[in-house]
Amino acid sequence: GAVVSQHPSWVICKSGTSVKIECRSLDFQATTMFWYRQFPKQSLMLMATSNEGSKATYEQGVEKDKFLINHASLTLSTLTVTSAHPEDSSFYICRAKSGLNTEAFFGQGTRLTVV
Amino acid sequence: AQTVTQSQPEMSVQEAETVTLSCTYDTSESNYYLFWYKQPPSRQMILVIRQEAYKQQNATENRFSVNFQKAAKSFSLKISDSQLGDTAMYFCAFMRIDDKIIFGKGTRLHILP
Repeated sequence: GAVVSQHPSWVICKSGTSVKIECRSLDFQATTMFWYRQFPKQSLMLMATSNEGSKATYEQGVEKDKFLINHASLTLSTLTVTSAHPEDSSFYICRAKSGLNTEAFFGQGTRLTVV
Repeated sequence: AQTVTQSQPEMSVQEAETVTLSCTYDTSESNYYLFWYKQPPSRQMILVIRQEAYKQQNATENRFSVNFQKAAKSFSLKISDSQLGDTAMYFCAFMRIDDKIIFGKGTRLHILP
């Protein structure tokens, strides 16, 4: 099946700094990327959707200036958590979609800890 | 707005037994996709089974099968001959017409030796 590589798998950063998470589709073109956040023992909550070459659209309650999403190519999308705070500590997962294919391909996830 | 409800936060069964996980959803769409995902401790999302709403036949994947009741908006997962490796968090999910996937809150399944 299609492979989505997410990097890093875990990261610790200091409060106030920014951290970038990458999501790459290795063997297909990801026309759409979805970014999710999962707090401990909770479900996956959709944060935003991005189409290649377009600005991301954010779900209600998600701060677009805090969670910057870039989808400049068909194989790479990035999520940058700016001015991170301890409450941003969470598990972030990307999901890539290719064209009209309804299959869902998830990255391995990134565990972010802000200290 | 579409919602997915999993009413069983946690379940435990003995190895080799059969277990059924419940899921109901709410939508006004007529054509959509439903999924069950497994999330082991590694937290990788693993697709267990997928059902297309326009197909009446229930999907089956080896020991995993679903009972899809479209009119009742119910989509339960049956795991037969459960194995220790089935221990995980299971999420029922719904794909909207805009391709967004909405997840239920999950059921933590423990398979006991």
